[in-house]
Order: sequence, then C-alpha cells, then structure tokens
Amino acid sequence: DVVLTQTPPTLSATIGQSVSISCRSSQSLLHSNGNTYLNWLLQRPGQPPQLLIYLVSRLESGVPNRFSGSGSGTDFTLKISGVEAEDLGVYYCVQSTHAPPTFGGGTKLELK
Amino acid sequence: EVQLVESGGGLVQPGRSMKLSCAASGFTFSSFPMAWVRQAPTKGLEWVATISTSGGSTYYRDSVKGRFTISRDNAKSTLYLQMNSLRSEDTATYYCTRVDRLIRGFDYWGQGVMVTVSS
Repeated sequence: DVVLTQTPPTLSATIGQSVSISCRSSQSLLHSNGNTYLNWLLQRPGQPPQLLIYLVSRLESGVPNRFSGSGSGTDFTLKISGVEAEDLGVYYCVQSTHAPPTFGGGTKLELK
Repeated sequence: EVQLVESGGGLVQPGRSMKLSCAASGFTFSSFPMAWVRQAPTKGLEWVATISTSGGSTYYRDSVKGRFTISRDNAKSTLYLQMNSLRSEDTATYYCTRVDRLIRGFDYWGQGVMVTVSS
C-alpha cells in the first residue's frame, strides 16, 4: 500500500500567520491517465472530515482561497495564507491513484 | 443539499455481528460509488470498503475481507455495511462517504456512527 507521510504532525500558528503542511508519498501519485489523485481534507474538532482540495490543487466549492495546494509526483504541500480561527483542526492528505486509497497520518493545526 | 446519515452503531461483543446503514439524500444516489471509512479513537482515517454504482463491484481492505460486506439499495438510497466476526480492533467511528468518480475522492461525509467491540 502507498504510505503518505505528513509533516509536521502538529503545527502551532497565530491568527494571520501563513503555514504549510507537507505530504510525501512512497510512490509517485501520477496516474497513467495523467491525473494525480491527491486530495486534502480538514477535520474540525468533533466533526467529520470535509474535502478542501482535490487533484492536488483544485479548491472544492465554498473553500476560501487562502487555501492552496501544490506538488507533483511524490511531494505535495497544502498552504494556508493567513490562518483564521475556523481553520483549526486536523488536516489529512489522501491518495486514490493506487488501490487501496490511503491517508496520511494527519497534521493538527492549533493556536499558539 | 447532500446528506448522509449513518445508523446502527453501538456496543457489541467480540465475535458478534452488526449492520450499519447510511441513508442518502440530496443527490442521485445510484450515480455515485459509495464507501465506508473508519477512525479508531484518537487515530487517523482508514478506508474500509467501496461499492460501485450498481453494487456489482466491491472492494475491501485486507483486514476486513471475508468478515465485512458492503452493499447498497439504490431504490432506498441506502448504503450498508454488514460486519461479522467483530474484533476489538474494529472499534471506531464509521463514516459513510460519497465517492466522486472524476476526482476519485471522498467528497461528502456523514456524521459517523460509533462501533465499540468489547466484552
């Protein structure tokens, strides 16, 4: 199975600070059809996960544009440009290029 | 508005069975593959099973193969997970998720239902 390694495991930020989360894959996530099936989820405390970004860099409808995704192959990054209080929670990357779909271990974003 | 509402969880003894249901609304249920994803207490997310739109194809993680069965009733817009021979390591919150075929991702999630396997 593909292993996704997220760093850091915990991130402390102040409101307005910009932060980045890394997701590294044990295999290239470029599918033979040219797509890269790497998505980002946010799980707020006590809530189910929600989709933030799909296909590496495309924002899900309704997600603020302070979120952005980038990367290719095995290295991917989620950036938040100006953290807001509602952004606190655990961020997960998830791949579905290779079966079975697998999740990163999560990055907990908390207030400093 | 897409809604996924799970039911059927609770406390069950090791070796026993439990069936989860997920009632879907707000979209054409029969047009989307569906999946179950679980989360053990204080742990990360783990894919469990996926079913195709017709129900003709199913996929499972190795640790539940032969014990869990995913199924769907498109007429009732309901997804199921039959769990047999339950183990303590199956203790988790189980989420019903919709699968978007274009992005091959879990785009909508239910609130989740807790399953506790303990004697």
